[in-house]
Amino acid sequence: QKEVEQNSGPLSVPEGAIASLNCTYSDRGSQSFFWYRQYSGKSPELIMSIYSNGDKEDGRFTAQLNKASQYVSLLIRDSQPSDSATYLCAVKLSGGYQKVTFGTGTKLQVIP
Amino acid sequence: DGGITQSPKYLFRKEGQNVTLSCEQNLNHDAMYWYRQDPGQGLRLIYYSQIVNDFQKGDIAEGYSVSREKKESFPLTVTSAQKNPTAFYLCASTPPNRAESSYNEQFFGPGTRLTVL
Repeated sequence: QKEVEQNSGPLSVPEGAIASLNCTYSDRGSQSFFWYRQYSGKSPELIMSIYSNGDKEDGRFTAQLNKASQYVSLLIRDSQPSDSATYLCAVKLSGGYQKVTFGTGTKLQVIP
Repeated sequence: DGGITQSPKYLFRKEGQNVTLSCEQNLNHDAMYWYRQDPGQGLRLIYYSQIVNDFQKGDIAEGYSVSREKKESFPLTVTSAQKNPTAFYLCASTPPNRAESSYNEQFFGPGTRLTVL
């Protein structure tokens, strides 16, 4: 089982719709969760971080965390063509220095 | 402007050559990291450094070397021992006092694309 799993996609949504991106992780000791956006040929950009169960909203983005189910998701409301990118889920264990483990990413395509 | 810079943007290496990738930051970040990204794969950690003059191997350190003589700089050398070096190399850093906390956000430079000829 991979440490961090994402559906590679592509996930296609029409412009203006809600895009839902999902991520599962294997280690119950994980405490920190991050979503990065990566445009083709570019480096990842941090868009959301979440540390406790529930929802965290930032503009059109909402991160959702369910530690009992070992599941974290990212919702993008009012999707725009400029949101078309690969979204990387990243997970960090607690306690001292622990590496951040990245998923392979989900490619999102927003259709105008 | 504050940020993380990497150079060169593109690098071509011949078989048997060592090459060095530059990573510089002026954000006063303590921890710095090197990752490798291959098509369709997640980021894999090569080396990391939490403080000057100290660094640790990541998951795929074989064939790579680093140094951390200055807080601002963390160069990566890809040696001839690395058998499949063609990849996108990403440098990242973490704000002060965050690397050992739960809040280990990492911020990335623009990357260097290395191709072996």
